[in-house]
Amino acid sequence: KAGVTQTPRYLIKTRGQQVTLSCSPISGHRSVSWYQQTPGQGLQFLFEYFSETQRNKGNFPGRFSGRQFSNSRSEMNVSTLELGDSALYLCASSLGGTASGWFFGPGTRLTVL
Amino acid sequence: AQRVTQPEKLLSVFKGAPVELKCNYSYSGSPELFWYVQYSRQRLQLLLRHISRESIKGFTADLNKGETSFHLKKPFAQEEDSAMYYCALKQETSGSRLTFGEGTQLTVNP
Repeated sequence: KAGVTQTPRYLIKTRGQQVTLSCSPISGHRSVSWYQQTPGQGLQFLFEYFSETQRNKGNFPGRFSGRQFSNSRSEMNVSTLELGDSALYLCASSLGGTASGWFFGPGTRLTVL
Repeated sequence: AQRVTQPEKLLSVFKGAPVELKCNYSYSGSPELFWYVQYSRQRLQLLLRHISRESIKGFTADLNKGETSFHLKKPFAQEEDSAMYYCALKQETSGSRLTFGEGTQLTVNP
């Protein structure tokens, strides 16, 4: 069974631009969560989706948004990029949302110049 | 608000020595606690959860509600245990949201 995939793996953007990251969960998984990982703040929860509905949202500004499609694939979007948005963005999928079953992707490394 | 603290950013031991990675949490309810591990150039993966009370790769962790701790232990460390270890908490009311500690980089020297 293929694992969680994230595209692109690396991204370089400039301040003010927007970016869209994609996550394909493990086949059959209906829950997707997103986390931001930085050296200073560690792993911070962004959002969680289940069956196309956002179930949970972390303490991030409105510039961060996400969605989930009917095939469970998910995207997250960051608008008006800031230097501080540079991070590794991790996606995780689960069958039904139980935390014990979260499988993480390799992440997308976003660099904002 | 809930919080997970891993007091040691770096931990270095010799092969065959016991190892303990500390994790303390603050949460007033009944949490679920987890340990995740990230080996070099690999994905973050679940090591163990307190509910299972199992031993994975020789590691165990016991939830101590009185001390609000969930320390990870292994009696004899191996070089392949070198990795970044994260303690994580799931609140009983947070859906599936995980709160992570900042991580401990374990190095097992030969």
